[in-house]
Formats: sequence, C-alpha cells, structure tokens
Amino acid sequence: DTGVSQDPRHKITKRGQNVTFRCDPISEHNRLYWYRQTLGQGPEFLTYFQNEAQLEKSRLLSDRFSAERPKGSFSTLEIQRTEQGDSAMYLCASSSRLAGEIRGTGELFFGEGSRLTVL
Amino acid sequence: RKEVEQDPGPFNVPEGATVAFNCTYSNSASQSFFWYRQDCRKEPKLLMSVYSSGNEDGRFTAQLNRASQYISLLIRDSKLSDSATYLCVVPIKAAGNKLTFGGGTRVLVKP
Repeated sequence: DTGVSQDPRHKITKRGQNVTFRCDPISEHNRLYWYRQTLGQGPEFLTYFQNEAQLEKSRLLSDRFSAERPKGSFSTLEIQRTEQGDSAMYLCASSSRLAGEIRGTGELFFGEGSRLTVL
Repeated sequence: RKEVEQDPGPFNVPEGATVAFNCTYSNSASQSFFWYRQDCRKEPKLLMSVYSSGNEDGRFTAQLNRASQYISLLIRDSKLSDSATYLCVVPIKAAGNKLTFGGGTRVLVKP
C-alpha cells in the first residue's frame, strides 16, 4: 500500500497521559499536514511541514502539542498531559504541491486517521 | 465570521433527483477551491477542483461566484452511493495557502 499510513488507528488514554501519533506520507510527497476533526465538523488545520521544516502552526495548537518531521519523511504528533477536549480524530495528509498553487491541484492525500479518546 | 461556511444539512435526496448546495468563503484573495468527499468514518478525498468559473465532471458540477464569494456543488441523477459529507475547501492566502475546510454538508440519498 503506497498511501498515507497512520499509527495507531485508535488510542484510548486517561486524562493527563501523553500520547504520540505517527504518520508515514506518500514517499515522494515533501509536504505533510496534520488536521484534527471532531464529530460533525470539518478537519481543522494544526500544522504543516515542507520536508523537515515546520512552516506553520495553528493558534489552535497549544504548547501541549508538538510535531516533528526529523528527516523529512515520517512525522510524529505528540500531545502531552491530554485533556478530554483533545478527543478527536487526528488526520495526517501529504501532497506534492503547495495547497492552492494555481498550476497544481493542491490535492491532499489523507491517511485513515488516529482516533483519540481521552477518559 | 468563519473563513469557510457550509449548510450542515442533511439534504435528504430521492434517488435520481438533483441536489445543490453552497459554500461561502470570506477571503476574497482565494484563487482556487476544492470539493472533498468524506464517507462516514473515512478520510476525506478530493472530488473536484474549481479554478475559474466552474468545472463539470460527469454528474457533478461545481460553480464559482467570485462576486458573492461562494462556490456551489450540484449533483445530478443522485445515486445511493453519493450519500456522504461534502467538504468545501479554500486555500487561505494570508495563511500560506493552507487549505481551510468548511464544516461539511451531509447528503443522504434515499431509494
């Protein structure tokens, strides 16, 4: 399978614990995005990498959240001291073009997501 | 005002009928727009891109109205398999062209 893969698919944790999600993008894609989605809402942008550089971070992302893409390939999203409000689906997406470039489709290829439940 | 707004629905559509719904955006500098489809408990997938006034792909037609800052999606001859949530997506130029998603419009096609 050459699509975007995310791990784990499901995570149940107690409030206050730390969790880490991993995303493996499509291999030739240099852009990687993290989104968060709650029930009945559209995905909310969290952060964006071009290769290993984190170029943008949403104001939604508190300092309990950190993301890395150390070698410009896979990425990790860590949430420290989880809160019940962190319960959501965390979606990773990759693309080969900057989203919105006129000459490109800006198509994002999403993984199946990591569902987090904080008890 | 939200950057991208959609009617959440659901739009209940008889099989074979036509359904259309809009998405409004606040950033007048946006040049390209997208419709993504998301099935229940699945990831979003690109349905159509809209760069100029509109785009047609089979039974699906997307239209752009820059003056009123909205895009629309029309589905003709609805199939049961068209039941999904349709997400309007707009790159926000002031934010490095990050793709901003609307809340989605849910469509239920019934026999």
